[in-house]
Amino acid sequence: AQTVTQSQPEMSVQEAETVTLSCTYDTSESDYYLFWYKQPPSRQMILVIRQEAYKQQNATENRFSVNFQKAAKSFSLKISDSQLGDAAMYFCAYSGGGADGLTFGKGTHLIIQP
Amino acid sequence: EAGVAQSPRYKIIEKRQSVAFWCNPISGHATLYWYQQILGQGPKLLIQFQNNGVVDDSQLPKDRFSAERLKGVDSTLKIQPAKLEDSAVYLCASSFTPPAVLAGERGELFFGEGSRLTVL
Repeated sequence: AQTVTQSQPEMSVQEAETVTLSCTYDTSESDYYLFWYKQPPSRQMILVIRQEAYKQQNATENRFSVNFQKAAKSFSLKISDSQLGDAAMYFCAYSGGGADGLTFGKGTHLIIQP
Repeated sequence: EAGVAQSPRYKIIEKRQSVAFWCNPISGHATLYWYQQILGQGPKLLIQFQNNGVVDDSQLPKDRFSAERLKGVDSTLKIQPAKLEDSAVYLCASSFTPPAVLAGERGELFFGEGSRLTVL
């Protein structure tokens, strides 16, 4: 079974600075997808960024980018120019095999200091 | 475009009682998921539907949990009888399954706001 590990329960960063959230995963599959989801206090999860394992190029979405290291099974999220609205729980998630269902990590609580 | 709708938002029940949650996915989304999110943990997939058929229910405690998606649109998740450890937020999500999924693409999941269950 696939597992997703987020080793940072909580991270704090000053507004406008850069922060990196860590994620590692374990899988025996060669083709899979990785995601970062954001969950603000209202609890509605929203997709931040997605990476296909077969793509070597790291995904980027505006201030959000990933560092995907397939051999190391590592998938970190970098948030540049942090904003107060970035404060939330961030979940790393894996999808592979024949089903679309996601396997989530335990999450990282990101605090933005004004 | 309307998002994923869930109700009720909050529910408090005594252990051994029953409860039902309802979910209406985004129009046109063929795939529907129910996740359980216990406080301090990431969401755990309970069941996945493709139209009105079950794709994956391997983590659904079938002795007490049941789910259905009649007509392939909205869905209900039922717990009977509830236990203390069922206290959690129950998240519904849906995804559009384009033809590309047959080639291995994975569509984005859209989540509802969740239903918070407290079992006393």
